[in-house]
Amino acid sequence: DTGVSQNPRHKITKRGQNVTFRCDPISEHNRLYWYRQTLGQGPEFLTYFQNEAQLEKSRLLSDRFSAERPKGSFSTLEIQRTEQGDSAMYLCASSFRGETQYFGPGTRLLVL
Amino acid sequence: AQTVTQSQPEMSVQEAETVTLSCTYDTSENNYYLFWYKQPPSRQMILVIRQEAYKQQNATENRFSVNFQKAAKSFSLKISDSQLGDTAMYFCAPNAGGTSYGKLTFGQGTILTVHP
Repeated sequence: DTGVSQNPRHKITKRGQNVTFRCDPISEHNRLYWYRQTLGQGPEFLTYFQNEAQLEKSRLLSDRFSAERPKGSFSTLEIQRTEQGDSAMYLCASSFRGETQYFGPGTRLLVL
Repeated sequence: AQTVTQSQPEMSVQEAETVTLSCTYDTSENNYYLFWYKQPPSRQMILVIRQEAYKQQNATENRFSVNFQKAAKSFSLKISDSQLGDTAMYFCAPNAGGTSYGKLTFGQGTILTVHP
């Protein structure tokens, strides 16, 4: 077991471009979470999946954000028409039955 | 909605000494878990310790222990025999019960620096 992995680790993009991040959870974990963390702050919840079903979305997740988890395995988080305010670390975590969450290394996004 | 307060933005301690980080939270749930995570500079979030709210006994994990006061909604972390590798930002995070079971709400964090 290699833990939660996220790709890419860093992404620099220009304002208005679309970006997509990928998260591969721990293999037997049925729940997958996305969080956003800005510098010096605690992570904020964005959304979570149980298997392939997206069960909750935060109000932070505007219409420009979409997340998927096809077949209940890996997940993708897409941001359309990026804005400078989207610059942050995007964290993925997985758990079994909603108990302890294990985090990936994150994807750091910089929007120029 | 849950709220989490970590009232100490920064703490420092000498190597081998003991330090306590405080956390209070607000929740309407009765069954939930509480976690402390550490995030070293430019590194990923690592689980430090977990407490089940229905258990009265405080969790212990090697040099790390908690003081969980459910009625007061307080969940402090004690680090004994502090080591240089303990330098990190520490986050308190209860998870949500009910239909949002599992979602974590993080505090603002406490930056802990261990000095040699």
